[in-house]
Parts: sequence; structure tokens; C-alpha cells
Amino acid sequence: SQQGEEDPQALSIQEGENATMNCSYKTSINNLQWYRQNSGRGLVHLILIRSNEREKHSGRLRVTLDTSKKSSSLLITASRAADTASYFCATSGGSYIPTFGRGTSLIVHP
Amino acid sequence: EAGVAQSPRYKIIEKRQSVAFWCNPISGHATLYWYQQILGQGPKLLIQFQNNGVVDDSQLPKDRFSAERLKGVDSTLKIQPAKLEDSAVYLCASSPFGQGAYSSPLHFGNGTRLTVT
Repeated sequence: SQQGEEDPQALSIQEGENATMNCSYKTSINNLQWYRQNSGRGLVHLILIRSNEREKHSGRLRVTLDTSKKSSSLLITASRAADTASYFCATSGGSYIPTFGRGTSLIVHP
Repeated sequence: EAGVAQSPRYKIIEKRQSVAFWCNPISGHATLYWYQQILGQGPKLLIQFQNNGVVDDSQLPKDRFSAERLKGVDSTLKIQPAKLEDSAVYLCASSPFGQGAYSSPLHFGNGTRLTVT
């Protein structure tokens, strides 16, 4: 089954800085989603980008998708301490079942 | 709208004991998923239901795990007997649509943290 792999595994930045995390996958996909998980909680959906899309924005979030490189990136601009969480990408192929990577742990220092 | 409800929130059992988790999805959501999340890893799919039918249970350890979704609404996941490696967070998620041209986002509950000693 296809699976996204996030990079870096951990990221530590100061409030106000931008945070960029990447996701790579191995086989063709129909869509890719990004989720956030705060400690001890469930995952919260952030953005879904379809295979025929290249970029999507939602507030301070910007997601890009490069199907030729089989990679996606999530950019959080002007980060806040409240953005501290783990971020996961989930890829969906022919079965449309989201398959998650190991995640990037983001710490934003006030 | 009310979110996905899961119970219990925490459970501690000894190995070889049995345990059951319950999930109530968002009203009207056709698709329900159970994921297992081991500490430091991403969620791994155990089973997907569409209404009350199983879509995918290829990664469910069927010798010890079972799941059902009666009447296409609530679902229970059972482990019998539990092993130490079953210690994880069990997440339930639902989405409004079934398989199709466009996937829809998953709505997750807060999970049940299982510790097997």
C-alpha cells in the first residue's frame, strides 16, 4: 500500500517564522491530505489536494503537490505557539483509503 | 455538528484479557474507519466500513481483532486476547461519502489509549 513519508521528522522554530514540511510517496495517487494532531487528541483535517491540482491555500497554510516528483509540501506561515503539533500527510490511490505517514513533530517556541 | 465520539478514553488491561472500544460517528456519515496508532507513528488502517458492510479489513489481525458496525451507525472494535504489542491509540474516523471520484476528509475522534501490561 502506498504511504507518504514526512520530512523532517522533527522541526523546532520560533514564533513568527515559517514552517515547511515535506511528504514523499511512491505510487500514483488520487489525492493527498494533510492532518494535524495535538498531543492526546485525534487528527484534524487541514487541506485536501487532488492529483490534478498543484497548489492550495487555507489561511496561513499553503500546500503544493508535484506529481512528477511524487512529493507535497505544507507551509505554515507566521507560525504561532498554538501550531505546535504533529503533522501527517495521507495519500489515497485507487482504493481512496487514506494511508498515513509517520508525521512531522513541530514545536513552535513563544 | 457533534463530532466522532469514542469510549472509553483510556483502558489498561493485562495481556490475554479482552477489551472492546466503541465509536459513534458523525450523524449521516456513511464511511467509518478504525485506525491503530502506535506511539511515534502514523495511524495504520485496521478496517473500513461503508454503511454496515466491510470495505477493507486486509490489515486487521483477524485471529484476535474483530469489528462490527450494526445498522450502519455505531461500531465496536474488540481485541481478544490482547498482546503487549497491541498497546496503542485506537482511532475511529468517519466521512460522509463512500468511495468515489473524490475522497472526502476524515473526521477523527480523540481515540482510546490502550495499555496492555
